[in-house]
Amino acid sequence: DAGITQSPRHKVTETGTPVTLRCHQTENHRYMYWYRQDPGHGLRLIHYSYGVKDTDKGEVSDGYSVSRSKTEDFLLTLESATSSQTSVYFCAISEQGAEAFFGQGTRLTVV
Amino acid sequence: GENVEQHPSTLSVQEGDSAVIKCTYSDSASNYFPWYKQELGKRPQLIIDIRSNVGEKKDQRIAVTLNKTAKHFSLHITETQPEDSAVYFCACNSGGSNYKLTFGKGTLLTVNP
Repeated sequence: DAGITQSPRHKVTETGTPVTLRCHQTENHRYMYWYRQDPGHGLRLIHYSYGVKDTDKGEVSDGYSVSRSKTEDFLLTLESATSSQTSVYFCAISEQGAEAFFGQGTRLTVV
Repeated sequence: GENVEQHPSTLSVQEGDSAVIKCTYSDSASNYFPWYKQELGKRPQLIIDIRSNVGEKKDQRIAVTLNKTAKHFSLHITETQPEDSAVYFCACNSGGSNYKLTFGKGTLLTVNP
């Protein structure tokens, strides 16, 4: 498996609190992504990064922000968690035009 | 943005039968079409991909076909086995980029022994 690690793997948080999910890679891949997976919706892109400090929005970016200060780390922040953000979050990495490798996923529950 | 439609959403077959999953896409600039398999509680993993310069690709019991004119591509699994049971996702690159993927909503394949 590609060297990609997500933390935490599980988290329960209260509505209105900030939450940060971390994705760490050891493959030195240029591109990193955050997806959320919900029943009936498949995998939807939240934000992605095409280099250090270079990020852009995906199709469901509202309520989320990201940062990438180093090649190996891509952080996803929910500034004020809502119940609609209860989901499984997957980080992925890739090189241009090549296979995307996924992390193990983070199950986030907002109560 | 890119729109990927995947059908069917669920598929049940008998062991040994073939399974076919179909996807359509909207962006004529798309040129990379991967398929991912996700077992229950696991991460999605690539099983096969195809690029727009070929019409078909095979890997043992799995094949993918691409029709760029009609903007659709399909996954074919022959001689299905219980371990093929999983959710399968199609995807394609969007906006003409080589790296950003848009996924279909997935197909739950169940192979009955």
